[in-house]
Amino acid sequence: EPEVTQTPSHQVTQMGQEVILRCVPISNHLYFYWYRQILGQKVEFLVSFYNNEISEKSEIFDDQFSVERPDGSNFTLKIRSTKLEDSAMYFCASSVASGQNSYEQYFGPGTRLTVT
Amino acid sequence: DQQVKQNSPSLSVQEGRISILNCDYTNSMFDYFLWYKKYPAEGPTFLISISSIKDKNEDGRFTVFLNKSAKHLSLHIVPSQPGDSAVYFCAASAIGWTGNQFYFGTGTSLTVIP
Repeated sequence: EPEVTQTPSHQVTQMGQEVILRCVPISNHLYFYWYRQILGQKVEFLVSFYNNEISEKSEIFDDQFSVERPDGSNFTLKIRSTKLEDSAMYFCASSVASGQNSYEQYFGPGTRLTVT
Repeated sequence: DQQVKQNSPSLSVQEGRISILNCDYTNSMFDYFLWYKKYPAEGPTFLISISSIKDKNEDGRFTVFLNKSAKHLSLHIVPSQPGDSAVYFCAASAIGWTGNQFYFGTGTSLTVIP
């Protein structure tokens, strides 16, 4: 069964450094998403991406964040100048398309980001 | 701004009995709801969904009920099995929103006792 994969599973970085979290969505999916979950808190939407551009983003997704689909398979989340409060589990998800019949988003296993 | 709420952080149920997980929402624009199950160290897995044109959707042991007037939905698991032990997230969205943004609840940790 196809699945969303994410690398690395755990990333430790120092405050102020840049990190890139990588995701490989399911191959025939067209919508891509990033979510995060700070320990003990709810899963929060960050951004959705379609047709090589951001279709929606939350207030969390400020200028510190960017997303890119550098090739036909990868979908990346870049966090510039990381802060302690960026420590969280970051989930990538993908779906076939938007619309009523395609709301099922498939999630990857997550990347745990630890900022020290 | 917590638009989707799961007020019970944990629930313990005996194997074979019914598990009922509850979710409340505040945004009347929401018209599509999903339940996800999450095991430790894994991403959320889609479980079951319901749109606002229905008040019930059933898939095997899992049934979701939607009460639009109360802005409340619930997930029933019958009979509960030890493998159902996981964190369950309720999520809501609005068909027609660009970007498919979902709002998640904080999750309910279900423990099914053998």
